[in-house]
Amino acid sequence: DAGITQSPRYKITETGRQVTLMCHQTWSHSYMFWYRQDLGHGLRLIYYSAAADITDKGEVPDGYVVSRSKTENFPLTLESATRSQTSVYFCASRRGQGAMRNQPQHFGDGTRLSIL
Amino acid sequence: DQQVKQNSPSLSVQEGRISILNCDYTNSMFDYFLWYKKYPAEGPTFLISISSIKDKNEDGRFTVFLNKSAKHLSLHIVPSQPGDSAVYFCAARGFYGGSQGNLIFGKGTKLSVKP
Repeated sequence: DAGITQSPRYKITETGRQVTLMCHQTWSHSYMFWYRQDLGHGLRLIYYSAAADITDKGEVPDGYVVSRSKTENFPLTLESATRSQTSVYFCASRRGQGAMRNQPQHFGDGTRLSIL
Repeated sequence: DQQVKQNSPSLSVQEGRISILNCDYTNSMFDYFLWYKKYPAEGPTFLISISSIKDKNEDGRFTVFLNKSAKHLSLHIVPSQPGDSAVYFCAARGFYGGSQGNLIFGKGTKLSVKP
């Protein structure tokens, strides 16, 4: 039972570079999410997806792009990285066909991204 | 403005005693609440949840209490164990605006259980 995996676990890059964080889940969950965790802010939602080819913005989407061509994958791309995007990024998934189903989200172990 | 607040950044408890972690929320539209535990270098792990139609949910050593009139929930851990030392996040869900039932997280409380 692989669950939800994120890659890479650690990444260092420079400002202006494009970087893609990968997220893969084996549960066939409908919903997938990207969060960032910063000191003093807890977890903030960047983007989410209700199903393949359906994505929507969360609380802090600026500077990020997502896609979901397959149910199991939900990559997050920083098109031109900035220092303010240095953070720990978590991917999560949830089963349930409805937005209001009482199902918890399950998280990957995160990607620690440093932008120099 | 924070809709989900965990006002205690840290809490220290002796092994075997009760740990009580608190969470306040401002939006009466929230209808589902969750607690997550997070160890360093790992992702948050789901611990326990409660629907707004209930006031208590219990799972082993963990109990969550919901007081809707006070917009307050708490997580009780009895008895506390050193392995419970982690950061605990409170989260709430509400269907309002364009949120589509997404979760809003508090900033977390770091629990230290001393042997």
